[in-house]
Amino acid sequence: GENVEQHPSTLSVQEGDSAVIKCTYSDSASNYFPWYKQELGKRPQLIIDIRSNVGEKKDQRIAVTLNKTAKHFSLHITETQPEDSAVYFCAASGSYQLTFGKGTKLSVIP
Amino acid sequence: SAVISQKPSRDICQRGTSLTIQCQVDSQVTMMFWYRQQPGQSLTLIATANQGSEATYESGFVIDKFPISRPNLTFSTLTVSNMSPEDSSIYLCSVDVAQTHYGYTFGSGTRLTVV
Repeated sequence: GENVEQHPSTLSVQEGDSAVIKCTYSDSASNYFPWYKQELGKRPQLIIDIRSNVGEKKDQRIAVTLNKTAKHFSLHITETQPEDSAVYFCAASGSYQLTFGKGTKLSVIP
Repeated sequence: SAVISQKPSRDICQRGTSLTIQCQVDSQVTMMFWYRQQPGQSLTLIATANQGSEATYESGFVIDKFPISRPNLTFSTLTVSNMSPEDSSIYLCSVDVAQTHYGYTFGSGTRLTVV
């Protein structure tokens, strides 16, 4: 089955700096890669996703890049704000099921 | 986007008892998914529930422990049976509301504590 590795497990950045979270996947058949943000005590919320026929996707301050050859994808958050502080999960899917990474706790220091 | 209602939002249960969690969607969806999120951990898929057929369970999860019902295209239940403290987790339902087979949205979750 699919295996998703996510790094780092924790990340602290100064407000205004950029944050990068990286994930690798094992199944070359995976073709959908979403990112979820989970604030404390709340449900995971989809923030951006990318399909395997696209190399990069942007939505305001967040972007995701995908390297199919290397089987890795990354989340980039620019101009970080305190409200970006949360746990971020990457996931991969080749069928109808999502396999999640272990999560990255992002702390944005004012 | 669709609205997913999950209840109860939290419960404290005695070991050996069972709890049934309900998930209601305001639109018809083909597949519903049940996840477990242990404290401070990631999300682990328990099973996939399709209307009109038995649920498909992931490795490490069995029907006797986590029976699932899917009576129609908008509703599903997950029962956590014969609970032990190790079952203390957040349980979340998820649906593919966009019918794209990928765009999963989560319910608000059920925080279960077994004492």
